[in-house]
Parts: sequence; structure tokens; C-alpha cells
Amino acid sequence: EPEVTQTPSHQVTQMGQEVILRCVPISNHLYFYWYRQILGQKVEFLVSFYNNEISEKSEIFDDQFSVERPDGSNFTLKIRSTKLEDSAMYFCASSPVAEETQYFGPGTRLLVL
Amino acid sequence: AQTVTQSQPEMSVQEAETVTLSCTYDTSENNYYLFWYKQPPSRQMILVIRQEAYKQQNATENRFSVNFQKAAKSFSLKISDSQLGDTAMYFCAFTYTGTASKLTFGTGTRLQVTL
Repeated sequence: EPEVTQTPSHQVTQMGQEVILRCVPISNHLYFYWYRQILGQKVEFLVSFYNNEISEKSEIFDDQFSVERPDGSNFTLKIRSTKLEDSAMYFCASSPVAEETQYFGPGTRLLVL
Repeated sequence: AQTVTQSQPEMSVQEAETVTLSCTYDTSENNYYLFWYKQPPSRQMILVIRQEAYKQQNATENRFSVNFQKAAKSFSLKISDSQLGDTAMYFCAFTYTGTASKLTFGTGTRLQVTL
């Protein structure tokens, strides 16, 4: 069964460093999402992406965040200058059409020191 | 703005028993979708069940079923014949129809299945 994959599974970085989180959505899906979950809290929406552009972004998704689909398979989230409060689990998700079920990847656990 | 409320932070159930997790939501939308996701200790988000608001029939998936009350904006999850593998965090989520619609999650209910 097709699944969303994410790399790396864990990343530790120093405050102020740039990180890139990578996702490979399910191949025939058209809608892509990033969510984050701070430990012990609920899952929060960051950004949605369709047709090579951002469809919607949350207040969390400020200028230090960016997303890109550099080729036909990868979908990346870049954090330019990480802060301690960026430590969280980051989930990528994809869906075939807008209202369809979003399928989540296993997540990347980011720790900013 | 849409909100999702899960009023039970933790619940416990014995193996083979039935448990119901509560969820309420608030929206002005008429066309939307509701989901239950399961998050085991691995922290993977796994879809449990989905309900379209326009459908009156409650969704079922094997041991999992929902009680969808649109007028009351209530969407509870019933787990029958609970198994140890059902131990997880359960999140209720909402999305409305539209382009690349985001999921809005509740705060979750931690379910512990005991022997």
C-alpha cells in the first residue's frame, strides 16, 4: 500500500541553524500539507500546497518557514533560522483531492538546542 | 473559525470491553468532513474512520463506529471489543470542503486498554 515517507526521522540542530525536512507524498496525490505537534500538545496546521503554490498557511508559518516541491516527488519544509520553540514533531500529509482523507507520514522529530 | 473539543483527556477500558470517546465541534460550514486519527506511542498518525457531513448514516470500520449528530455538532467514536493494540492517543479532526482544506484537530484523548 502506498505511503507517505519522511526523512530524517530525527534531527538535532543548534539554534539559528537552517533545517530542511523532506517528504515524499503518495505518488498520485495532488495536495500536500505540513503539520507540527509540540510534545504533549495537539497537532497544528502549518501550510497547505497545491499546484506548486501555497494554498493556505497558519499564523505559525512565518517568514522563517518555506515550502518547496523541487521535483515531481519531494516536498520540503525549510526552517531558515531555528528557535528553541521549533522543537516538535513535524508531519507531512497528502491527499488525492482537497476533501479526501489526508494520509500522514511517520514524522520528523526536530530538537533545537 | 472551526474548533474541535475533546473533553476527555484520558480514558481507560478493559480488554474486550466497549469504550466511547467524545468529540464536539463548532463550525458555520454546512459541508465538511470529520475524522478520527489514532496516534500510538510511535507517534505515527493513523486514520481510524471518516464521516462525511452530508451522510446521515454513521460510518463504521470493523470494531470502530461513530455516532454523528449533526444538529448537536457531536462526533463520538465507539471502540468495541477493545484490544491492547488500541492503546493510543485519539484525535478528532475536522475539515471543510474547499481547496487544500486544512485539518483542525482536537486536543486528544489518551486511551489505555488494560488486561
